[in-house]
Amino acid sequence: ENVLTQSPATLSLSPGERATLSCRASQSLSSYVAWYQQKPGQAPRLLIYDASNRATGIPARFSGSGSGTEFTLTISSLEPEDFAVYYCQQRGTWPPSVTFGQGTRLEIK
Amino acid sequence: EVQLSESGGGLLQPGGSLRLSCGASGFTFNNYAMSWVRQAPGKGLEWVSAINGNGATTNYADSVKGRFTISRDNSRNTLYLQMNGLRAEDTAIYYCAKANTIFGVVDAFDVWGHGTMVTVSS
Repeated sequence: ENVLTQSPATLSLSPGERATLSCRASQSLSSYVAWYQQKPGQAPRLLIYDASNRATGIPARFSGSGSGTEFTLTISSLEPEDFAVYYCQQRGTWPPSVTFGQGTRLEIK
Repeated sequence: EVQLSESGGGLLQPGGSLRLSCGASGFTFNNYAMSWVRQAPGKGLEWVSAINGNGATTNYADSVKGRFTISRDNSRNTLYLQMNGLRAEDTAIYYCAKANTIFGVVDAFDVWGHGTMVTVSS
């Protein structure tokens, strides 16, 4: 089983600052990593798929990078609406399976 | 507009059964794999099960294998999750989610429903 470990668990930053969130896999994932944002009481929203592709309607301040076992979500300049919980996700092709990281809480400093 | 809407959640006792439904609209349902993802109160996301577009291929998380069954009715644009032998640890919000591309069984999930709450308690 491929385990995804996100760090840090909590990140405290101010609006306008740059946020860097990490996702480390126990086994190589190629580029099959996605990132989601979840706000309280809402379903997750897809931000990034295949490590670096922004989903439809996602602002350019969100970017993803990485390959193999190390992946990063970067928010270049935090807006007030960006404070939320972020999850990384990987997919295994066979047998088909999905794993989520435990999440990073991005909070206002 | 692409939409997913879950229904069927509720409160039931351990050992009970429940069937969740997810109605889809705004896209060609049979072209896309679908999954169920759950979230226990105050916890993170856990993938539960996936099914490909024609329903021929399915897979399950180890935590639900042998107890849950995913299926779909493409004529009704509806996804199902039959849940048997429910346990307290199955208590969660259950989301249905659409695969981002038409390939494969699992993928990133670009559309999510609002979720339906399942509570298992005596």
